[in-house]
Amino acid sequence: GENVEQHPSTLSVQEGDSAVIKCTYSDSASNYFPWYKQELGKGPQLIIDIRSNVGEKKDQRIAVTLNKTAKHFSLHITETQPEDSAVYFCAANMGFNKFYFGSGTKLNVKP
Amino acid sequence: DGGITQSPKYLFRKEGQNVTLSCEQNLNHDAMYWYRQDPGQGLRLIYYSQIVNDFQKGDIAEGYSVSREKKESFPLTVTSAQKNPTAFYLCASSPDRGNTEAFFGQGTRLTVV
Repeated sequence: GENVEQHPSTLSVQEGDSAVIKCTYSDSASNYFPWYKQELGKGPQLIIDIRSNVGEKKDQRIAVTLNKTAKHFSLHITETQPEDSAVYFCAANMGFNKFYFGSGTKLNVKP
Repeated sequence: DGGITQSPKYLFRKEGQNVTLSCEQNLNHDAMYWYRQDPGQGLRLIYYSQIVNDFQKGDIAEGYSVSREKKESFPLTVTSAQKNPTAFYLCASSPDRGNTEAFFGQGTRLTVV
């Protein structure tokens, strides 16, 4: 099956700085890569996703890049704000809607 | 107001008892999932169902059981055979077999004492 690794496990940045979270996957058949944000005691919510026919996608302060050759994808958050503090999960999906999740990154944005 | 609803939010049970967690969705989604989340860890797949009356084991199905009698409902039973049941349980659904977003419920925190 697929194996998704996520780094770092914790990330602390100053408000206004950028944050980058990286994930790698093992199965080249994976073709859909969502990113979720989870606040304490709540379910994860999708913040951005990318499909394998696209190399980069941006939505305001959030962007995701995908390198299919290297089998890695990254989440970039610019101009971080305290409300960005949460746990972020990457995931990979190769079809049939079976998602494989990374272990999560706890992002702390210091005011 | 469409969405996926898990109940209850908090659940306490004595060791040795079976307990059933509810998950209902009104999004008309075909696929539904159950994940377990332990502190500081990612989401691990327990069971998933792509269609009514059909479901498959995920990576950690031992000690759990599910049913999918209706499209909108996918209850999870944590049996007494589950050795370490205390965890945060998340239910999710997605529209079809293609690569599309999974929508999550707000979770049920189960504590076994």
